[in-house]
Amino acid sequence: GEDVEQSLFLSVREGDSSVINCTYTDSSSTYLYWYKQEPGAGLQLLTYIFSNMDMKQDQRLTVLLNKKDKHLSLRIADTQTGDSAIYFCAEREPNTDKLIFGTGTRLQVFP
Amino acid sequence: DAGITQSPRHKVTETGTPVTLRCHQTENHRYMYWYRQDPGHGLRLIHYSYGVKDTDKGEVSDGYSVSRSKTEDFLLTLESATSSQTSVYFCAISGDRGMDGDTEAFFGQGTRLTVV
Repeated sequence: GEDVEQSLFLSVREGDSSVINCTYTDSSSTYLYWYKQEPGAGLQLLTYIFSNMDMKQDQRLTVLLNKKDKHLSLRIADTQTGDSAIYFCAEREPNTDKLIFGTGTRLQVFP
Repeated sequence: DAGITQSPRHKVTETGTPVTLRCHQTENHRYMYWYRQDPGHGLRLIHYSYGVKDTDKGEVSDGYSVSRSKTEDFLLTLESATSSQTSVYFCAISGDRGMDGDTEAFFGQGTRLTVV
C-alpha cells in the first residue's frame, strides 16, 4: 500500500518544542520531505532529507530519519504561534517519482 | 515563488456535468501532479505526469482523467462530476531528482470544487 502515516493533532505551549512524527512505506525512498500548509493556502516546503542522512538541522527545525524503522520526525524548537499549521511528511518513490503524502498533523500552539 | 497557477480557483458545478481543471507552469519542470485534499485523508494522489503525453494513475484515480499535451499544462477532467468529488484540488510540479536539490515539489494555490 501507499500509506504514509501521521498523527492528526498536536497541541503545544508557545516556547516549547514540537515533535511531529511520520512513518513511511518504501524503505528505498530517496527523499523525504516536510511541508507546511497554512489555512487557505497551498503547501510550502520546510525541509527535506536525503536517505543517506540520519539528521538534518535548519535553524529551528531538526529532521531525524530512522531508515530501519521507516520513521521520520520533525522537531520545531521554541515553537511560536506562527507555527500553527498543518504539517505533511512525504516520500518520493524512487522508481516512479510519485510523491506520496501523509494525512497531515495539525499543530496548534497556545500561549 | 515557482511559476505555477491553477484555474479556476473556485467552481460550483452540478452532478453529472464534466469539469476540467487546469494547471499551468512556467518552470519547464518534468513532473506534474494532481492531488485532492480532504479532511482526515491528507493529500491523495489522483494522477501524475512524468513527461509530455506520459501519465500514470495515483491512488484515487477512478472518475478522473488527465492530459498533458505540452510541458506547461496538465489538465484534470472529471467526466461526470459526483458529490464525492467535492474537494480541494492541488497541482504540484517537480524537477528531476538531483544529488541534493531540485527535488522539491512546488504547489499551486488550489481549486475548491463543489459538486451539488
